[in-house]
Amino acid sequence: DTGVSQDPRHKITKRGQNVTFRCDPISEHNRLYWYRQTLGQGPEFLTYFQNEAQLEKSRLLSDRFSAERPKGSFSTLEIQRTEQGDSAMYLCASSLGQGAGELFFGEGSRLTVL
Amino acid sequence: GQNIDQPTEMTATEGAIVQINCTYQTSGFNGLFWYQQHAGEAPTFLSYNVLDGLEEKGRFSSFLSRSKGYSYLLLKELQMKDSASYLCAVLFSGGYNKLIFGAGTRLAVHP
Repeated sequence: DTGVSQDPRHKITKRGQNVTFRCDPISEHNRLYWYRQTLGQGPEFLTYFQNEAQLEKSRLLSDRFSAERPKGSFSTLEIQRTEQGDSAMYLCASSLGQGAGELFFGEGSRLTVL
Repeated sequence: GQNIDQPTEMTATEGAIVQINCTYQTSGFNGLFWYQQHAGEAPTFLSYNVLDGLEEKGRFSSFLSRSKGYSYLLLKELQMKDSASYLCAVLFSGGYNKLIFGAGTRLAVHP
């Protein structure tokens, strides 16, 4: 399978714990995006990378969230000191080029904070 | 800033035609996408419009009017499998291109 893959698919954690999600984009895609989606809402932009450079981070994102793409391939999204409001589906997507191309989404990582 | 509006829910009958509207306000526009998302699954690409007019692709068509900040997705010959959420997304060109999504329209197709 050469699509976007995310790991883990499901994560249940207690409030205050740290969690990390991994995304492996389609291999030739230089852009990688993280979105968050809650029930009944569209995906909310979190951050994106072009190669290893983080181009923009949403102002809605607190300092507890950090993302990296160290070698311009896979990316990680870490949430520190999780809160119940962080419960959501975290979607990763990748695209080729300067952002005008189609985004290919992974299946998402569902986070439940108890 | 950016604002994208689309109806929350729509219902339609199998075999019919349905039009899902999307209006947007953005300080920088570089194209509009429609995605389909079935419950519990990732969004999948349907269409992309950057110029005014109608783009047709099989049973699905998408229209754009940049001057009006308006788009619609037209689904013909509806099938039960078309029951899904339809997401309107604007490619915002301020700074670096990024894709901003609306809340989605949940379409229920009934026999």
